[in-house]
Amino acid sequence: NAGVTQTPKFQVLKTGQSMTLQCAQDMNHEYMSWYRQDPGMGLRLIHYSVGAGITDQGEVPNGYNVSRSTTEDFPLRLLSAAPSQTSVYFCASSPGTDRGYTFGSGTRLTVV
Amino acid sequence: GQNIDQPTEMTATEGAIVQINCTYQTSGFNGLFWYQQHAGEAPTFLSYNVLDGLEEKGRFSSFLSRSKGYSYLLLKELQMKDSASYLCALRPGGGYQKVTFGTGTKLQVIP
Repeated sequence: NAGVTQTPKFQVLKTGQSMTLQCAQDMNHEYMSWYRQDPGMGLRLIHYSVGAGITDQGEVPNGYNVSRSTTEDFPLRLLSAAPSQTSVYFCASSPGTDRGYTFGSGTRLTVV
Repeated sequence: GQNIDQPTEMTATEGAIVQINCTYQTSGFNGLFWYQQHAGEAPTFLSYNVLDGLEEKGRFSSFLSRSKGYSYLLLKELQMKDSASYLCALRPGGGYQKVTFGTGTKLQVIP
């Protein structure tokens, strides 16, 4: 099993550009989430999904969209990149409410 | 809302025991997680406490006291590879997937 796969690992964007961060898991997990991690602020939840076709907002959803058309994939779209979105983004999946997350290796995004 | 507090940094000696504390204020929650995160890497799951008390997993143990709003992670027989950040996180009672993380405790293990 590959676990949770995130692509790309690194990305530099110009302000105003859009892009999609990819996340795929092969563990048949129902639950998937996107977090961003910034120095001194810990992991903050952007969006999450409890199953295919179901998504909801987390703590910091502005500027991001998600969709969950399949169990495996949970892409995160940046609509119009801003320097404040410079961060490390982690995708995570979980098989159930009492189970821990499996995290992807992260995407390091810089917006200039 | 939920507020989670952890010490920012700790230093401990190889072979020793270290306790990393996590205090929280919340109106209710389902359970409390501990994760380990090495520098430049993704977090990895260590433990999940739902009930009060101590749960042991090898060299790592996690404790929860709901009445005191307090948890700790106990690392025994410290090894150099235990140098990492340790993240405390709460799963709320209603929104099962709205897990909230603390800012983490960076542990440095010295020889």
